[in-house]
Amino acid sequence: KQEVTQIPAALSVPEGENLVLNCSFTDSAIYNLQWFRQDPGKGLTSLLLIQSSQREQTSGRLNASLDKSSGRSTLYIAASQPGDSATYLCAAPATSGNTPLVFGKGTRLSVIA
Amino acid sequence: DTAVSQTPKYLVTQMGNDKSIKCEQNLGHDTMYWYKQDSKKFLKIMFSYNNKELIINETVPNRFSPKSPDKAHLNLHINSLELGDSAVYFCASSPPTGSGTGELFFGEGSRLTVL
Repeated sequence: KQEVTQIPAALSVPEGENLVLNCSFTDSAIYNLQWFRQDPGKGLTSLLLIQSSQREQTSGRLNASLDKSSGRSTLYIAASQPGDSATYLCAAPATSGNTPLVFGKGTRLSVIA
Repeated sequence: DTAVSQTPKYLVTQMGNDKSIKCEQNLGHDTMYWYKQDSKKFLKIMFSYNNKELIINETVPNRFSPKSPDKAHLNLHINSLELGDSAVYFCASSPPTGSGTGELFFGEGSRLTVL
């Protein structure tokens, strides 16, 4: 059964810092892995989707990597800004198919101006 | 254009009542889901439908009954509401396996408060 763990649970950094959020998953037979952002009281916004054949994906200041063999993914945020403050969720498929997604408990990020 | 829309966004009701939450997606996806986010913000799958057919039903009380009139709609009906049902319910959709990236798209959520 897929389990997704995210560390740290919370992170507070000064503006401008580069940071890394970690995600680990137990079943590496995944089709893809997805990173989401959730602002307080809001829905989930998809940030990056990495297919199983890829090792990383980039979007602006965000870079997500995937290492299936070790069951790990990281989300790298460069030059953090106060607007990056949110909860970041990692999700991996429950089975060897691509859905449904099993979520980690998230990392709550605060970027201090 | 909203891709996945849910109504209502907020719902406050008394214990024992029956309520429904509606979800619609205009992405042409075949698969739709209901997720529950509890007070600790943990997201957990409840149901998954593919082309109007139930394919996943996690350990959810049978007071919860999903209904999919067509592949663009997935509604959630809850009978005899309990205090523990208070949560945010998210609808999501994804394209068919093999036809796309498998990316999941979420609605804005429906916050249910049971008093």
